[in-house]
Amino acid sequence: GQQLNQSPQSMFIQEGEDVSMNCTSSSIFNTWLWYKQDPGEGPVLLIALYKAGELTSNGRLTAQFGITRKDSFLNISASIPSDVGIYFCAGQNDYKLSFGAGTTVTVRA
Amino acid sequence: NAGVTQTPKFQVLKTGQSMTLQCAQDMNHEYMSWYRQDPGMGLRLIHYSVGAGITDQGEVPNGYNVSRSTTEDFPLRLLSAAPSQTSVYFCASSRGTVRETQYFGPGTRLLVL
Repeated sequence: GQQLNQSPQSMFIQEGEDVSMNCTSSSIFNTWLWYKQDPGEGPVLLIALYKAGELTSNGRLTAQFGITRKDSFLNISASIPSDVGIYFCAGQNDYKLSFGAGTTVTVRA
Repeated sequence: NAGVTQTPKFQVLKTGQSMTLQCAQDMNHEYMSWYRQDPGMGLRLIHYSVGAGITDQGEVPNGYNVSRSTTEDFPLRLLSAAPSQTSVYFCASSRGTVRETQYFGPGTRLLVL
């Protein structure tokens, strides 16, 4: 299957910090998606991107669809405790989603 | 609406046993799919369906069967369970594919001994 490289694998956040994560692929995608997964739950869609170069916001979240269609990033501004969880990028062509391995976000003690 | 429901929540099987993971949605979605989630690997597509009577293979279909006799249900069958099938399984559905959100169920945790 298509491999998506997501980084970082994990990060610690302090309340109020801005955090960034990104995803790269060797393949081109028509759609890039960002999901969040809480423990014991299924992934929930945060942001969908449909056009190369597109920059989209959803509250404190901002994501961009890379110009080459092979990458995307997600920024979270002014993080809060409920931002902890696992964030997944996904690329979509036709009916199929390919997921990155996830970025685990934890609150720094 | 209940959304996407999955049963059971947790299951333990012995190697060689068979079982069916159930998935149902009440949103009249045409598209349904099954993923497995393993540590450090994200979600991988097993099988998908674009409507009743139509199914196709995803990235990791070996060892799994599916059928779609109704719009609402999309069961996943393990014919002869293997330890490599220990995983968390998610079902998802959407109205279509382009610009339509995929909604995920809560998952089934499967342990094969």
